[in-house]
Amino acid sequence: GAVVSQHPSRVICKSGTSVKIECRSLDFQATTMFWYRQFPKQSLMLMATSNEGSKATYEQGVEKDKFLINHASLTLSTLTVTSAHPEDSSFYICSAHGTQNTEAFFGQGTRLTVV
Amino acid sequence: DAKTTQPPSMDCAEGRAANLPCNHSTISGNEYVYWYRQIHSQGPQYIIHGLKNNETNEMASLIITEDRKSSTLILPHATLRDTAVYYCIAEYNFNKFYFGSGTKLNVKP
Repeated sequence: GAVVSQHPSRVICKSGTSVKIECRSLDFQATTMFWYRQFPKQSLMLMATSNEGSKATYEQGVEKDKFLINHASLTLSTLTVTSAHPEDSSFYICSAHGTQNTEAFFGQGTRLTVV
Repeated sequence: DAKTTQPPSMDCAEGRAANLPCNHSTISGNEYVYWYRQIHSQGPQYIIHGLKNNETNEMASLIITEDRKSSTLILPHATLRDTAVYYCIAEYNFNKFYFGSGTKLNVKP
């Protein structure tokens, strides 16, 4: 099946710094990517929809200035957590959907720890 | 996107069939039923999806009732590696998923 790769898989950063997470579709072009966040023992929560060549659309309650999304090419979307704080520590997961695919494929996730 | 309801947890003996139910009584005519699973600390893994007809692939079977208000995911011969949280999602084809709480399947030896 199609492969979606996230990088890094795990990151620790200091409070107040910014962290960039990459999501790549390796063998298909993804016109749309989605970003999710998952806290321990909870389900995945959709954060935003990343559209190639246009602005991302954010779910209600998600701060667009804190979670910057860039989808500059058909194979790459990035999520930047700006001025990270310990409460931003979470598991961040992306998914990608190509024009030829009827299902979304998920990355392996990025574990962010803010200290 | 239609809301789905799943039991919080289920047990299954290794080698037996695991039948995971899902209710989606408000599903609309053009919403698919998707099943994904998530093994601890990994991204969700696609299992199967369907619209109206029953579907089968190498991983599982999906049985959708005629009125489409519920479905059952069947893992024919569960193994310990099938222990995971299983998510049933009713969604249009653009795959913006709103996950419910899922079913934690415990496969026991």
